Amino acid sequence: NAGVTQTPKFQVLKTGQSMTLQCAQDMNHEYMSWYRQDPGMGLRLIHYSVGAGITDQGEVPNGYNVSRSTTEDFPLRLLSAAPSQTSVYFCASSPPQARGDTQYFGPGTRLTVL
Amino acid sequence: EDKVVQSPLSLVVHEGDTVTLNCSYEVTNFRSLLWYKQEKKAPTFLFMLTSSGIEKKSGRLSSILDKKELFSILNITATQTGDSAVYLCAVQGSGGSNYKLTFGKGTLLTVNP
Repeated sequence: NAGVTQTPKFQVLKTGQSMTLQCAQDMNHEYMSWYRQDPGMGLRLIHYSVGAGITDQGEVPNGYNVSRSTTEDFPLRLLSAAPSQTSVYFCASSPPQARGDTQYFGPGTRLTVL
Repeated sequence: EDKVVQSPLSLVVHEGDTVTLNCSYEVTNFRSLLWYKQEKKAPTFLFMLTSSGIEKKSGRLSSILDKKELFSILNITATQTGDSAVYLCAVQGSGGSNYKLTFGKGTLLTVNP
């Protein structure tokens, strides 16, 4: 199993550009989530999904969109990037019996918005 | 709103010391508390605690939960330089906050040789 994979590892955007951060898992996990991590702020939940076709907002959803058309993939879209979205983004997944705890994290995407 | 407070925010010790990291929380309908270790990459799972007073142990690391006083501690004995990392505490509620993990800001532990 590859576990949770994220692409790209690094990305630089200009203000106003859009992009999609990719996340995939091959463990058949129903639960997937996106976090951002800023210095001194810990991990903050952006959006999460409890299964294909079901998504919900986390603590800091503004400026981000998600969809979940398959169990494996959970992309995060930035519609119009802003400098405040400069951060490290982590995708995570969790098996059905865990119901969101015991999350397995991907390696992260470091995003810089100029 | 769920809340997790970790202390201290940073800690510097010498190899061989024992350290205690603290995590206090407020959560609606508590379901679990988790500890993660984060080196220069993704967090890795250490422990999940759901019941008060039952110690979880893995090698030199151990953790315990007090649901009455709403806190948990993570102990590391005989620290090594490889223990240097950020230690994250997270809580999960049930009901309205089902599936969501709320993280603290973390404790940065530095172990000097």
